[in-house]
Amino acid sequence: GAGVSQSPSNKVTEKGKDVELRCDPISGHTALYWYRQSLGQGLEFLIYFQGNSAPDKSGLPSDRFSAERTGGSVSTLTIQRTQQEDSAVYLCASGYRGEETQYFGPGTRLLVL
Amino acid sequence: AQSVSQHNHHVILSEAASLELGCNYSYGGTVNLFWYVQYPGQHLQLLLKYFSGDPLVKGIKGFEAEFIKSKFSFNLRKPSVQWSDTAEYFCAVNALGDYKLSFGAGTTVTVRA
Repeated sequence: GAGVSQSPSNKVTEKGKDVELRCDPISGHTALYWYRQSLGQGLEFLIYFQGNSAPDKSGLPSDRFSAERTGGSVSTLTIQRTQQEDSAVYLCASGYRGEETQYFGPGTRLLVL
Repeated sequence: AQSVSQHNHHVILSEAASLELGCNYSYGGTVNLFWYVQYPGQHLQLLLKYFSGDPLVKGIKGFEAEFIKSKFSFNLRKPSVQWSDTAEYFCAVNALGDYKLSFGAGTTVTVRA
């Protein structure tokens, strides 16, 4: 079946611009997660959704980062006023509630110039 | 919060050699354990997982891992590697009931033909 999809696959933006990253989870998965993979920091958890609510936002690095999920499906991660240190690969994963395996998408590679 | 350490940053092997990648975690409670693999140009894929039961788990492509609770370890093994096993390998942990995965820094495995 279809896996987790993310768009765009690559995004180049200028410092100070806002960006939106999209994630389409596997159909039927109620849990959705965002992670960031950057040089020197490895894979870091950003936020977790169960349905449309986000019980754990503990990994969001600053208030410039926000995320929402609608219809228990698609999620958007928004970064406002991007900074060069935001450059990274942003990964989305989804899974079944109560089943701990997370399935990852291909990621969005963000470069902030 | 749990932390995960992977002992090797880069491993270089010849085909047919045996592979063992170390993973240790720090967390005193019950955990779920995972190994993910990222082949060149591809996204993270689940290799194997341990939730409970037999501490020796078998995954895809001939990989296996052993959970040793007393050592807080979950080492990955493959008796005979192939060139196609060239990839980056990540160990990940989450506490029971916590959906947030903590990842190790990853080990790059290069298999020479």
